[in-house]
Amino acid sequence: GAVVSQHPSRVICKSGTSVKIECRSLDFQATTMFWYRQFPKKSLMLMATSNEGSKATYEQGVEKDKFLINHASLTLSTLTVTSAHPEDSSFYICSATTGGPYEQYFGPGTRLTVT
Amino acid sequence: AQRVTQPEKLLSVFKGAPVELKCNYSYSGSPELFWYVQYSRQRLQLLLRHISRESIKGFTADLNKGETSFHLKKPFAQEEDSAMYYCALTGANNLFFGTGTRLTVIP
Repeated sequence: GAVVSQHPSRVICKSGTSVKIECRSLDFQATTMFWYRQFPKKSLMLMATSNEGSKATYEQGVEKDKFLINHASLTLSTLTVTSAHPEDSSFYICSATTGGPYEQYFGPGTRLTVT
Repeated sequence: AQRVTQPEKLLSVFKGAPVELKCNYSYSGSPELFWYVQYSRQRLQLLLRHISRESIKGFTADLNKGETSFHLKKPFAQEEDSAMYYCALTGANNLFFGTGTRLTVIP
């Protein structure tokens, strides 16, 4: 149980375009979903916390107009990278929890490459 | 500020040898600490948490508040233990991760 999926697993887009990444909890209802970004040779960085039906809470330094997060249902959250640039190329991981940060179930990640 | 430090990016041990992955943290309150593991081509998954004091796949980790450490240990490494290991600490409402240690167990 407690499976989280992400789609797509890999995406290549041109600079200036937008790309949407989906995160789904397959067999449980996720009250909270988290979006992380992994920079090369660095730690996972929390980008934002998303609660179903409310606006996402962004971490300091993360542009909310650039990284649009929608959590419209208890099983789906989306991250849209708007007007992507090569520096946005990264590995994006989502996680979901039924409550609190302790037990987080991670998706397999999405590799974004902006050319 | 919360911080998790994993000083070793790479660690190689021979099969059957003891292994210790180091994790140090800084946190102003009472920390909750975890170890996550990512096997090759698989998703990140929780390995163990300090509050449950359990042993998972032969791994244990003891929270040492005096040394602000939460090192992950296993007395006899197995080849299937080769993976990326992340130490993590809870903040107010999220997790902070260390940079990870890639463990390679040599047959």
